[in-house]
Amino acid sequence: DIQMTQSPSSLSASVGDRVTITCRASQSISSYLNWYQQKPGKAPKLLIYAASSLQSGVPSRFSGSGSGTDFTLTISSLQPEDFATYYCQQSYSTPRVTFGPGTKVDIK
Amino acid sequence: QVQLVESGGGLVKPGGSLRLSCAASGFTFSDYYMSWIRQAPGKGLEWVSYISSSGSTIYYADSVKGRFTISRDNAKNSLYLQMNSLRAEDTAVYYCARGVTIFGVVTSDWFDPWGQGTLVTVSS
Repeated sequence: DIQMTQSPSSLSASVGDRVTITCRASQSISSYLNWYQQKPGKAPKLLIYAASSLQSGVPSRFSGSGSGTDFTLTISSLQPEDFATYYCQQSYSTPRVTFGPGTKVDIK
Repeated sequence: QVQLVESGGGLVKPGGSLRLSCAASGFTFSDYYMSWIRQAPGKGLEWVSYISSSGSTIYYADSVKGRFTISRDNAKNSLYLQMNSLRAEDTAVYYCARGVTIFGVVTSDWFDPWGQGTLVTVSS
C-alpha cells in the first residue's frame, strides 16, 4: 500500500495568515493527489484534485502544488471558515486509495 | 443537486450484522463508481470498499474482506454495504462517496460528493 504522511499534524494560525500543509507519499504518485477539507461533524469536501486543480466553487485562496512524492496545500489568507482538518489522498492506486492522517488548523 | 444520503447505522453487538444504504440523486448513478469510506471516532479516513459503475468489479480493504459485501442497484440509484461479523474496531462513521474520473493527458480520480455519514457502533 502507498503510505501518506502529512505535516504538521496540527497548527495554530490567525485570520489572514498564509498557511502551508505538506503531504508526502511513500512512492511516486505523479499528480494523483487530492485534498479535502473536513469540519467537525461534517463529511469531507473536495478542495483540490490532480494535485493542483481547484474544484469548482472552492475559493481561489486555496491552491495545491507538487508531483512525485511531495505535495503542498496553501491557503493564501486564512479565513474564519477555513478552520478545519485537511486530508490528502492518493488516487494513484485507485481503487485502493489511501489518505493522509490529517492536519488540523485551529485558531491561534 | 448532486446528493448522497446514507442510512442504516446503529448500535450492534460484536459478531452482529448491519446493512448500510446510500441513496443517490441529482446525477446518473449508473455512470459512476462508488466507494465506502469510514472514519473511526477522532481518527482519519479509511477506504473500505469499491464497486464499479456496472457492479461487475469490486474491491475491499484487507480489514473487511470476507466480512463486508458491497452492492448497488442502479435501477434504484442505491448503494449498499452488508456488514457481517462486526468487531469493535469497525466502529466508525461510514461515508458513501461518488468516484469521479477524468480522462486526458493524465487520468485522475477523486471523491465528490460524500454523503453525510452514518454512525456504526459495535459494542456489547
